[in-house]
Amino acid sequence: HSALTQPASVSGSPGQSITLSCNGTSSDLGGDNYVSWYQQHPGKAPKVLIYDVSNRPLGVTDRFSGSKSGNTASLTISGLRAEDEADYYCCSYTDKSAFVFGTGTKVTVL
Amino acid sequence: EVRMVESGGGLVQPGGSLRLSCAASEFTFSMYSVNWVRQAPGKGLEWVSSIDKSSSTISYADSVKGRFTISRDNAKNSLYLQMNGLRDEDTAVYYCARDLRVVGTTRVTHHYAMDLWGQGTTVTVSS
Repeated sequence: HSALTQPASVSGSPGQSITLSCNGTSSDLGGDNYVSWYQQHPGKAPKVLIYDVSNRPLGVTDRFSGSKSGNTASLTISGLRAEDEADYYCCSYTDKSAFVFGTGTKVTVL
Repeated sequence: EVRMVESGGGLVQPGGSLRLSCAASEFTFSMYSVNWVRQAPGKGLEWVSSIDKSSSTISYADSVKGRFTISRDNAKNSLYLQMNGLRDEDTAVYYCARDLRVVGTTRVTHHYAMDLWGQGTTVTVSS
């Protein structure tokens, strides 16, 4: 299974909203709604932000929101803050009973 | 503290073997499916393998199938990854991570997402 495709970098100013995209196929993103998003700061383990396309685990701020249309998933970060500067990965559970991660997007807060 | 702690990483020659361990604490390990995910230096996350709570369903990435074996011991709250035939491209930080389990008001649901990660253990394959 090839990695899901994400833009290499996205930037925004504090307070702005940005949207990260994640493109896949009918075998992964286009299938069941098993899309998750992760935030990873340098040298740290990933942290789950979104599961099942648009659900937030307990404790995750509502500034993060997820959606999906066809073979594309999106993560929106509202009210961008300095601490949001990190790498973000989408992930899908596929029809082959496997996970596939995205290529990752580096978010820069200007 | 609820956590997962990996160990067993190190330097190994191409073709060699290594066994990673992941110790879970302060949660009921036997109720969760668990995974191994790796990250090569400067690269993105790559799923390696998953095992369900009873070891009845196991899956592997194509890149490690036939070389790596995942297992668990619920009595010891531990997850393992036996890695044989190691290659340069297996060099990475290896994380263990558990699947997300949501306790609702009337039922518990399991989800294909990973909510608790270890700090990672580094595997370097080099001659």
